[in-house]
Amino acid sequence: EDKVVQSPLSLVVHEGDTVTLNCSYEVTNFRSLLWYKQEKKAPTFLFMLTSSGIEKKSGRLSSILDKKELFSILNITATQTGDSAVYLCAVQGAQKLVFGQGTRLTINP
Amino acid sequence: NAGVTQTPKFRILKIGQSMTLQCAQDMNHNYMYWYRQDPGMGLKLIYYSVGAGITDKGEVPNGYNVSRSTTEDFPLRLELAAPSQTSVYFCASSYEETGELFFGEGSRLTVL
Repeated sequence: EDKVVQSPLSLVVHEGDTVTLNCSYEVTNFRSLLWYKQEKKAPTFLFMLTSSGIEKKSGRLSSILDKKELFSILNITATQTGDSAVYLCAVQGAQKLVFGQGTRLTINP
Repeated sequence: NAGVTQTPKFRILKIGQSMTLQCAQDMNHNYMYWYRQDPGMGLKLIYYSVGAGITDKGEVPNGYNVSRSTTEDFPLRLELAAPSQTSVYFCASSYEETGELFFGEGSRLTVL
């Protein structure tokens, strides 16, 4: 059965800190890995990764995939209170998109 | 563009009642999905559709039914509601099978 595990489940940091969120997976016929940010309502798309070692970057957020070790990380530098959210990792395999349980990130001023 | 529209946003049901969650998208996406999200958990796939007339089960289909008579609409029906179906339901669509999902705002359902 396809599985996606995120760690940590919860993280509290101060504004300005850098954080790294982890996502490991066991998926048959891997096709892509996606990161989403979820505030109060629907998840919003951040990144889609398909190739190992190629960093995707958007402002203070970046992500990279390691298909050999079966994991991805999401980095957020110079965190702001607006980064507080649940970050979801999802992997597309033979089944449809399978989500991890999410990391709840809280940024304190 | 409205994107993905779900109705209702909130609903309280009694045990044994039935209801339909509506989902419509105006992006001409072939792929549509229904997920549920329980508190503190990720999203679990209930049903999905790869095009009009074609639906298939996801991870947690029991107690639900879907239909896809048009490209735009993908309603989710709950028969004989149970407290275990208390959750937030998200409808989503995508242009490609491996592409970005676009989500609706969610429907919060409580079964008492």
